Amino acid sequence: QVQLVQSGSELKKPGASVKVSCKASGYTFTSYTLNWVRQAPGQGLEWMGWINTNTGNPTYAQGFTGRFVFSLDTSVSTAYLQISSLKAEDTAVYYCARGYCSSTICHIFESWGQGTLVTVSS
Amino acid sequence: QTVVTQEPSFSVSPGGTVTLTCGLSSGSVSTSYYPSWYQQTPGQAPRTLIYSTNTRSSGVPDRFSGSILGNKAALTITGAQADDESDYYCIVYMGSGIWVFGGGTKLTVL
Repeated sequence: QVQLVQSGSELKKPGASVKVSCKASGYTFTSYTLNWVRQAPGQGLEWMGWINTNTGNPTYAQGFTGRFVFSLDTSVSTAYLQISSLKAEDTAVYYCARGYCSSTICHIFESWGQGTLVTVSS
Repeated sequence: QTVVTQEPSFSVSPGGTVTLTCGLSSGSVSTSYYPSWYQQTPGQAPRTLIYSTNTRSSGVPDRFSGSILGNKAALTITGAQADDESDYYCIVYMGSGIWVFGGGTKLTVL
């Protein structure tokens, strides 16, 4: 069955970097886009952007440019979210989710990962 | 930047019907925005309910339905149950590969 399994929780100091992984199984990795969503404690969902798993081309939402980088390793069906120069306000749960769009329909979050908690604290 | 608006909170009686909406600070939501709806309970990953306006995701009961009502996308829950008490989020497509979430609605069933 389709699974998106994310890496475990991280505790990082301000200024450090973190790399969250999202390993896909049960389907052809390059047949779906891969989206990233952030949820800060007690806050709503924020769409961070997506990566084209065929071309590796990322699209970032406003507010997620510069320190946030999406990447892929298609050989192991895994997507990555790297955040550099971490700040306390980056503390959040980060979700990956696969999706697809055709000419008439878009199912942007068809399956979700379980989420990865990143805590930034000195 | 256009803001996606949702009611901050709503309440419904068990067995009742509730309609949550998803609008834009400027303009109208139409099917071209591919509105989708998600349910989330504390500590859990979101669950997809509806995508592309009115298509139920696999396994979602038919008491959840999506539509366009006036200038907004809408999620209607008929026969509300206690375990429908959750946060509900909509997301819309703004073009150029960009999607935006609404702020979410906290639904209370009492």
